[in-house]
Amino acid sequence: GEDVEQSLFLSVREGDSSVINCTYTDSSSTYLYWYKQEPGAGLQLLTYIFSNMDMKQDQRLTVLLNKKDKHLSLRIADTQTGDSAIYFCAEIVNSGNTPLVFGKGTRLSVIA
Amino acid sequence: DAGVIQSPRHEVTEMGQEVTLRCKPISGHNSLFWYRQTMMRGLELLIYFNNNVPIDDSGMPEDRFSAKMPNASFSTLKIQPSEPRDSAVYFCASIPGTPGNGELFFGEGSRLTVL
Repeated sequence: GEDVEQSLFLSVREGDSSVINCTYTDSSSTYLYWYKQEPGAGLQLLTYIFSNMDMKQDQRLTVLLNKKDKHLSLRIADTQTGDSAIYFCAEIVNSGNTPLVFGKGTRLSVIA
Repeated sequence: DAGVIQSPRHEVTEMGQEVTLRCKPISGHNSLFWYRQTMMRGLELLIYFNNNVPIDDSGMPEDRFSAKMPNASFSTLKIQPSEPRDSAVYFCASIPGTPGNGELFFGEGSRLTVL
């Protein structure tokens, strides 16, 4: 079945880059998403990448997609304390006719 | 747009009591989802509706859990009787199109504590 795997924890120093990794299983995924959950809040869409792209950059965020290996990563440059949150990777399955499949989330802690 | 609205934000109850969580999706969204989040199990999909019809409830943990969507603007998740292991944050989310295609909008969550 569909599965999205992420490491559970990541700790970085303020100002360093953070890289959060994700592997997924559905090779027919059209979009892959990164959601961010701040403490005490719901998930919010952070960024997404279309499956025919290798990379997408949006200010401090860089998303890399390796379709061959089914590997997705999110790089946050110049990580700030406000970036401390849980980051969820998600993929579209079954051409979008069934819900997104989420990973368990990576808890990013930024040390000042 | 007010976003997905959930109530209550916090609920503390005793084991055996009935708990009802409420959700108002974003107007015009066709699909509604209930998720449960715990430290141990992460984010779990409990049930989802499309056009007010339950499509898949295979994630509902047991018969103590039930969900309804009587109209396009309201859904409830009920736990009866509640147990301490039901303590979690319950999220409602909605999406404008087909269940898995597009941005999923989450509410702020209802934090349930069962003593």
